Amino acid sequence: NAGVTQTPKFQVLKTGQSMTLQCAQDMNHNSMYWYRQDPGMGLRLIYYSASEGTTDKGEVPNGYNVSRLNKREFSLRLESAAPSQTSVYFCAIGQGVPQPQHFGDGTRLSIL
Amino acid sequence: DQQVKQNSPSLSVQEGRISILNCDYTNSMFDYFLWYKKYPAEGPTFLISISSIKDKNEDGRFTVFLNKSAKHLSLHIVPSQPGDSAVYFCAASVMNRDDKIIFGKGTRLHILP
Repeated sequence: NAGVTQTPKFQVLKTGQSMTLQCAQDMNHNSMYWYRQDPGMGLRLIYYSASEGTTDKGEVPNGYNVSRLNKREFSLRLESAAPSQTSVYFCAIGQGVPQPQHFGDGTRLSIL
Repeated sequence: DQQVKQNSPSLSVQEGRISILNCDYTNSMFDYFLWYKKYPAEGPTFLISISSIKDKNEDGRFTVFLNKSAKHLSLHIVPSQPGDSAVYFCAASVMNRDDKIIFGKGTRLHILP
């Protein structure tokens, strides 16, 4: 989706490995979000950042860390990957409700 | 505790007929509701929204109805087209509180030829 770029698109990790998922935007939106999507579970918020330098926990933050170093970029780090973190991860950006969020195309992460 | 519920995991509708996707919510503080559409291998895209001060919002073939007393909203697609086959997520938020949106689990819509 235009405006939100996620890298990588696919990744396979072994249990215990670390990994950083990158998200960059070119729409100058203040807020950025990380979600995970699992079968039958919908989209669940991991962490979000309302502005540069601030981050807050979402519904499922355990096992993850985030970093919002500037307005454009918001990264998600798995310090010690676990099979339960196998999922599709989406980054989204927004300007606050009622403006809708815009999503990237996702990172498909498998942890063996 | 699910605050936004989509109780139908999937729905099949004949092309040309009306598709009705349902969503229930439990948090009476929600005052803004959105529908997103998602194709495989793509991110969700915004479809239509409604504020709690309205009971209906229409955009082309898509109409969202809100029944606040029942804490229920529905998305109507008429006529249904093959390109409407996708997963639809209902979402809810509280305006002027924070930027968080709570999503339902989604309903997979199949449009049959």
